[in-house]
Amino acid sequence: GAVVSQHPSRVICKSGTSVKIECRSLDFQATTMFWYRQFPKQSLMLMATSNEGSKATYEQGVEKDKFLINHASLTLSTLTVTSAHPEDSSFYICSARWDGSMERNFGPGTRLTVL
Amino acid sequence: GQQLNQSPQSMFIQEGEDVSMNCTSSSIFNTWLWYKQDPGEGPVLLIALYKAGELTSNGRLTAQFGITRKDSFLNISASIPSDVGIYFCAGQEDFGNEKLTFGTGTRLTIIP
Repeated sequence: GAVVSQHPSRVICKSGTSVKIECRSLDFQATTMFWYRQFPKQSLMLMATSNEGSKATYEQGVEKDKFLINHASLTLSTLTVTSAHPEDSSFYICSARWDGSMERNFGPGTRLTVL
Repeated sequence: GQQLNQSPQSMFIQEGEDVSMNCTSSSIFNTWLWYKQDPGEGPVLLIALYKAGELTSNGRLTAQFGITRKDSFLNISASIPSDVGIYFCAGQEDFGNEKLTFGTGTRLTIIP
């Protein structure tokens, strides 16, 4: 149980285009989802906290106009990387917590490569 | 952003050996979590710790929540090839703040 999925698993795009990544909680409802970014051989860095029905909370240094987050339902949050540049190439991972638990599960990640 | 310091950064061991890694912080955490990440995948939760001094096992894995609440360790006994990967600790500062801070990671390699 408590499975988190992401789509797509891998995307390659041209510089200047926008890319949307989906994060879904498959068998539970998630009021809160989290978006992380992981560069090669580095740790996970929290980008933003996504709350269903309200605006996301962004970490310091993360541009909210560049990384658009929408949490339209209790099972879906989307991250859109707008006007992507090569330096946005990274591994993007979401996680979700189910109500009543202190733990959270992570999605399988999305590898973004911007050419 | 803030990070937890993990050591060692990498380990090269032989199959069957025991492994020990730890995580330290300058801040107090109320929850400690240990994750394993395989290449190209998301982290998978191994053990969760909620009380200072707590010692919890999951099969061959044992983790402890330090009494000072500023550290935690993870032990793996009798390592096997599938233990290869990157291990991350993660801490949550307080129950009202859901943010997880991740450690710098320990890369485990098993030498044939």
